[in-house]
Amino acid sequence: AQSVTQLGSHVSVSEGALVLLRCNYSSSVPPYLFWYVQYPNQGLQLLLKYTSAATLVKGINGFEAEFKKSETSFHLTKPSAHMSDAAEYFCAVSVGAGSYQLTFGKGTKLSVIP
Amino acid sequence: GAGVSQSPRYKVAKRGQDVALRCDPISGHVSLFWYQQALGQGPEFLTYFQNEAQLDKSGLPSDRFFAERPEGSVSTLKIQRTQQEDSAVYLCASTIGTSPNNEQFFGPGTRLTVL
Repeated sequence: AQSVTQLGSHVSVSEGALVLLRCNYSSSVPPYLFWYVQYPNQGLQLLLKYTSAATLVKGINGFEAEFKKSETSFHLTKPSAHMSDAAEYFCAVSVGAGSYQLTFGKGTKLSVIP
Repeated sequence: GAGVSQSPRYKVAKRGQDVALRCDPISGHVSLFWYQQALGQGPEFLTYFQNEAQLDKSGLPSDRFFAERPEGSVSTLKIQRTQQEDSAVYLCASTIGTSPNNEQFFGPGTRLTVL
């Protein structure tokens, strides 16, 4: 079975500062990894995904994530935070078997301080 | 519309009532997923359809939960004899294919409150 751990349920950064949201996964088979963002009262929107083509993945809105197999990590970063980045972020894993459902972490709420 | 839609957006039920939640996936999407998101938690898988076939219902928490997708498009999640622990946001997602790296497109969810 696969699982996802997101360190820090709440992260605050100043506008213009580096954003770093941590995600570690557990999987017995090579995983597919995703980062989703959720704004209040909205559905989840895909930021980026890792599908084994490249370890450094670039997504929308200036976000990127690096897959590190040795650390079983897939941390999300953005060089400079913007007020509009304030939202909840979910890391998720899918494995190439079964119904391909996503297994999500508990989420990290990002606050951006002006 | 271009996205996944869900109705109603909000539902308040008295304990013991039956509820039905609707999901309209993106047209042509083969796969459909239901997830339950409790307050302060990440979404948790409930069930999966490929066209009209329910291939995985391992996440349904009890036999009070039932889902269907009879014509391979619209899906309904039904909860019988609702309990307070059923209070959550129910999310529907669809994907164009059946590959594990397909992007899942999520609807806005139905927030169910059981009093």
